[in-house]
Amino acid sequence: QQPVQSPQAVILREGEDAVINCSSSKALYSVHWYRQKHGEAPVFLMILLKGGEQKGHDKISASFNEKKQQSSLYLTASQLSYSGTYFCGTEITYNQGGKLIFGQGTELSVKP
Amino acid sequence: GAVVSQHPSWVICKSGTSVKIECRSLDFQATTMFWYRQFPKQSLMLMATSNEGSKATYEQGVEKDKFLINHASLTLSTLTVTSAHPEDSSFYICSVPDNSPLHFGNGTRLTVT
Repeated sequence: QQPVQSPQAVILREGEDAVINCSSSKALYSVHWYRQKHGEAPVFLMILLKGGEQKGHDKISASFNEKKQQSSLYLTASQLSYSGTYFCGTEITYNQGGKLIFGQGTELSVKP
Repeated sequence: GAVVSQHPSWVICKSGTSVKIECRSLDFQATTMFWYRQFPKQSLMLMATSNEGSKATYEQGVEKDKFLINHASLTLSTLTVTSAHPEDSSFYICSVPDNSPLHFGNGTRLTVT
């Protein structure tokens, strides 16, 4: 039950905004967002647990809809350092011990 | 959060040989670790759950006799790719769950020639 991410790729100019979506056919226990640079390990961005939750840090924020089947990651005023592949990782139930199933990824390129 | 060390960072081996990858949780006692595999430009695919002191749990389609996992202590899990073939070339990453989120090792790039 791999979550579906969209878009698959996006190209931005510095300062532009982007939205990445992550959808599941079933209600989720949690959604985790990660960014991965080429050849490196994924880096944790944030986790959402509650339906209707919104949270953020600096210019990156995320939301989790009330039904807990869709999450969106918002990148505002993008910087060159935001380039990379973004993955959502999902848990279906609380007792999966942290085991995440990842979406197929969204490749983000920020150009000067 | 947990600090995870993975070795080696990269390895090149000949077809038919075996390769061992180590994953250490440096500051957290991990009863569970996860092993993921990632092919170029693809997602992280869960291979198996490593359980301290017991057998690993493998995901559907992952050959347990080919990918041997040993979790002998609370800080160390190893993945051995046996009789490696070129199609096993990939990026292997371990992770440690520490009350969410997952903490990843830096990954091991395996190239089988």
